[in-house]
Amino acid sequence: DAGVIQSPRHEVTEMGQEVTLRCKPISGHDYLFWYRQTMMRGLELLIYFNNNVPIDDSGMPEDRFSAKMPNASFSTLKIQPSEPRDSAVYFCASSLRSDTQYFGPGTRLTVL
Amino acid sequence: AQSVTQPDIHITVSEGASLELRCNYSYGATPYLFWYVQSPGQGLQLLLKYFSGDTLVQGIKGFEAEFKRSQSSFNLRKPSVHWSDAAEYFCAVGGSIAGNMLTFGGGTRLMVKP
Repeated sequence: DAGVIQSPRHEVTEMGQEVTLRCKPISGHDYLFWYRQTMMRGLELLIYFNNNVPIDDSGMPEDRFSAKMPNASFSTLKIQPSEPRDSAVYFCASSLRSDTQYFGPGTRLTVL
Repeated sequence: AQSVTQPDIHITVSEGASLELRCNYSYGATPYLFWYVQSPGQGLQLLLKYFSGDTLVQGIKGFEAEFKRSQSSFNLRKPSVHWSDAAEYFCAVGGSIAGNMLTFGGGTRLMVKP
């Protein structure tokens, strides 16, 4: 299996622009997670899905952040409008039932 | 609420020396415990996990960890460190009462001296 795929790997944008991060989970996995990693706050869970349904979005920082999972093989995390403090590495992870989470390579987002 | 503490932010060891990275957790039921490793610019790779059974678990790259319920600890060990082990290591806890959510510690950055 190719593992969890994320795109783009790097994104540089200007404040106020819309940013969309994409994730393809491992085939057959029924859980998908979005995390954010920063020096100050470490790894934070933003939201997770089970069978394409959002289960817990309490980690989403503000209404500027939204996530969707239209089908079992694709998810997006959108930031609109983006701000410099959103600069971070965003990881997607997937798992089968309650087993191990497998992480993608991450998207490094820089908001100028 | 669940939490994970990794007391050591940075650790430096000499190549060939033994290693122990500390992890303490707080969880209201039987925990699932994980160690992940992150190399610079990379995602997190699973080293090992504990769900139940034998409290000493073996992982990849020669790592092992021991679950000690009485101490709420899950320390990671390696008998002889290689230069390629330099990375950041994260301990995480999850389990049935938290759905499938993991809580990560702040990480320990390992540096290896030649």
